[in-house]
Amino acid sequence: GAVVSQHPSWVICKSGTSVKIECRSLDFQATTMFWYRQFPKQSLMLMATSNEGSKATYEQGVEKDKFLINHASLTLSTLTVTSAHPEDSSFYICSAPGTYPASGGTDTQYFGPGTRLTVL
Amino acid sequence: AQSVTQLGSHVSVSEGALVLLRCNYSSSVPPYLFWYVQYPNQGLQLLLKYTTGATLVKGINGFEAEFKKSETSFHLTKPSAHMSDAAEYFCAVSGVPSGGSYIPTFGRGTSLIVHP
Repeated sequence: GAVVSQHPSWVICKSGTSVKIECRSLDFQATTMFWYRQFPKQSLMLMATSNEGSKATYEQGVEKDKFLINHASLTLSTLTVTSAHPEDSSFYICSAPGTYPASGGTDTQYFGPGTRLTVL
Repeated sequence: AQSVTQLGSHVSVSEGALVLLRCNYSSSVPPYLFWYVQYPNQGLQLLLKYTTGATLVKGINGFEAEFKKSETSFHLTKPSAHMSDAAEYFCAVSGVPSGGSYIPTFGRGTSLIVHP
């Protein structure tokens, strides 16, 4: 249980284009999901909290208009990187808290496999 | 407020040797502590977690960690390293739930290198 998927696993795009990344909870519902960014050899940086049916909450320093988040259903959150530039190249990871009692409890985050974005 | 310090960005061991990855935390509330493992180009996989109760926690792949409140530590150990253990390991702490979810704060990670 508690499986989170991401699509695509990697994407290469031209500067100025927009890229959409999907995060799905496969066997449980997630009213909240989290989006992280990870630079090479570094830790995860929380970007935003995605809330089903309401606006996302962004961490300080994260551009809301740059990183659009939509939590359309209880199993799907999307992150759209708008007008991507080379500095947006990174590894993007989503997570969802487990559910109680079936999937580990809400104290544990379950992570997707990540999406490698390369902007040329 | 909470934070995690992982001592040593790289730890190198021989196959069959003891693995010890250090983690110290700070938290203004009773902490929930986690160890995650990340293989190249993959997401994070939960190894083990401490919430309440027994302070010695056993996880997957033979790993265990001990919560020591007096030392504010949660070090990860494994008696005998395997080549397949080579990966990046992240310690994380969370406390009071935000909107119902425990959002972890991660350490910078420790890269475990296993030599034949």
